[in-house]
Amino acid sequence: AQSVTQLGSHVSVSEGALVLLRCNYSSSVPPYLFWYVQYPNQGLQLLLKYTTGATLVKGINGFEAEFKKSETSFHLTKPSAHMSDAAEYFCAVSEGSNYQLIWGAGTKLIIKP
Amino acid sequence: DAMVIQNPRYQVTQFGKPVTLSCSQTLNHNVMYWYQQKSSQAPKLLFHYYDKDFNNEADTPDNFQSRRPNTSFCFLDIRSPGLGDAAMYLCATSRETSSNQPQHFGDGTRLSIL
Repeated sequence: AQSVTQLGSHVSVSEGALVLLRCNYSSSVPPYLFWYVQYPNQGLQLLLKYTTGATLVKGINGFEAEFKKSETSFHLTKPSAHMSDAAEYFCAVSEGSNYQLIWGAGTKLIIKP
Repeated sequence: DAMVIQNPRYQVTQFGKPVTLSCSQTLNHNVMYWYQQKSSQAPKLLFHYYDKDFNNEADTPDNFQSRRPNTSFCFLDIRSPGLGDAAMYLCATSRETSSNQPQHFGDGTRLSIL
């Protein structure tokens, strides 16, 4: 069965530091993977997605993620955090004929000045 | 810009008083979804439409209903809201029901129950 695990409900980094948000999934078939960002009192915005092809995916706002099949991971990174990156980040997976998204629990990113 | 629009952004209703939330889209997508999201939790799918075909999640309470009168609009009706229904309600769309299709979200309606 599909599942998504996001390690750390809260991650705190200093402004300018590397952002690393972890996502691991379980899937019996090749997955499609998504990262969404949610700012306070707003909906979810697609940051990036992996469907097929290049395993390093670049998204909006300077974020990128790498699909590692051997590690069943899709971690989200950004080289230098900005205050505006403070938000909640959700990893989600779908697979095969099951197009419904399975969501991780979310990670709240806190940026320290 | 093509988008998903939810109205109102904030809705207050009384315990047991029916309430309707609305969603419209200019993306011309076939699929429209309704999610419930409680504080610090992931969104929970309530139901979705593929065109006019309605698909209800097994654990969605009967208190929640939906209507899609045309491609652009979809409504969420809560017949008798309880205190536990206070949440953010998110509408989303996707072009097709393919698992590689991303979903596009509106900004949500935050529902409060008095």
